[in-house]
Amino acid sequence: GAGVSQSPRYKVTKRGQDVALRCDPISGHVSLYWYRQALGQGPEFLTYFNYEAQQDKSGLPNDRFSAERPEGSISTLTIQRTEQRDSAMYRCASSLGSGNTIYFGEGSWLTVV
Amino acid sequence: SQKIEQNSEALNIQEGKTATLTCNYTNYSPAYLQWYRQDPGRGPVFLLLIRENEKEKRKERLKVTFDTTLKQSLFHITASQPADSATYLCALAMNTGFQKLVFGTGTRLLVSP
Repeated sequence: GAGVSQSPRYKVTKRGQDVALRCDPISGHVSLYWYRQALGQGPEFLTYFNYEAQQDKSGLPNDRFSAERPEGSISTLTIQRTEQRDSAMYRCASSLGSGNTIYFGEGSWLTVV
Repeated sequence: SQKIEQNSEALNIQEGKTATLTCNYTNYSPAYLQWYRQDPGRGPVFLLLIRENEKEKRKERLKVTFDTTLKQSLFHITASQPADSATYLCALAMNTGFQKLVFGTGTRLLVSP
């Protein structure tokens, strides 16, 4: 696609529910990243993949958060048993490979009520 | 503790003047420093990258300096235009792969006609 595509753009969920956020990277991009951005803050690293392999998940806040990229293209970030503190903008990004320019998507805005 | 500091207050300047934004960091040893532009509701967009062994980098009206002794980067926009109004984020990369960027909180720039 022309850019990094994320869905849904907006998600309101009740506390305790599971949510899945989807990212479709730019075609041909090997590396995929997930960041979280709170209002008035810069993005905060969560995890990244090269192809289908999750290379670093050190930024995931706790074990309720997981991510996968089973075929090396589309990725899903899953948050189980959501809590209000999980409310934030979740941004996906991709790059041709390590060391290349990173392109961010428009984000998925999650609100937990 | 590790931290990245950017001016939290908005920078207001007149069109045609040079805007200078500051990024200071503590207890990091970045191999690269990047600057991004972020418009309201959009994802960050990469602008410039500077390596630790480079003192200055230019791209059109943009100039970045990097002082690893002072642990500071300055980002300049010359001949500023109202269209330059946005939030500007600095990001540190600890290795060549840029896999795990550490972002500052950003500085909002407002350029008045």
